[in-house]
Amino acid sequence: ETGVTQTPRHLVMGMTNKKSLKCEQHLGHNAMYWYKQSAKKPLELMFVYSLEERVENNSVPSRFSPECPNSSHLFLHLHTLQPEDSALYLCASSQGRSRSTGELFFGEGSRLTVL
Amino acid sequence: AQSVAQPEDQVNVAEGNPLTVKCTYSVSGNPYLFWYVQYPNRGLQFLLKYITGDNLVKGSYGFEAEFNKSQTSFHLKKPSALVSDSALYFCAVRVANTDKLIFGTGTRLQVFP
Repeated sequence: ETGVTQTPRHLVMGMTNKKSLKCEQHLGHNAMYWYKQSAKKPLELMFVYSLEERVENNSVPSRFSPECPNSSHLFLHLHTLQPEDSALYLCASSQGRSRSTGELFFGEGSRLTVL
Repeated sequence: AQSVAQPEDQVNVAEGNPLTVKCTYSVSGNPYLFWYVQYPNRGLQFLLKYITGDNLVKGSYGFEAEFNKSQTSFHLKKPSALVSDSALYFCAVRVANTDKLIFGTGTRLQVFP
């Protein structure tokens, strides 16, 4: 059983919709991440939050908007997506390098399909 | 810049035989190296890590990995493969002085009965 929970597990949306992905970690960690996993592509780091501050934004299009209201919750707000945004979105958490060696703990992912 | 390479897209092995999944890395400073496994439609699961100390690191499900500094490699191994080990395996390196992990492209392991 994972200590990182993602909802929904599956999401189908049109290009004009607005939806959000949610991630919650129960591990007491202080860093959270969004990764994108597309078929036949490497895992792409999208955003990193450390102590609720965004410390990384890897040139992600503005149609993806992250939100980290506290150290246990992370959201990815989606609007006006494109079909090529269809992918598995993975949330992860870690203790942060100041307190550990930095292994990440992943959720089960949210499978997004954009029609 | 830190990076990892997994030269094999797929590795096939018969059940009961030893398996090796290859990974090479490029880092500045001391490497923090990781292996993860991903089963279909699931997230990534942490298998093992190398930070310092013994070059042979033992992890979950009977897997181990050997750190070789001279060859900049961190190959994943298991003495006797199981059909249930069939999955996608990722090697990762931590970017120095950050909380980021950079992942390799993944290697699909197929264990045949």
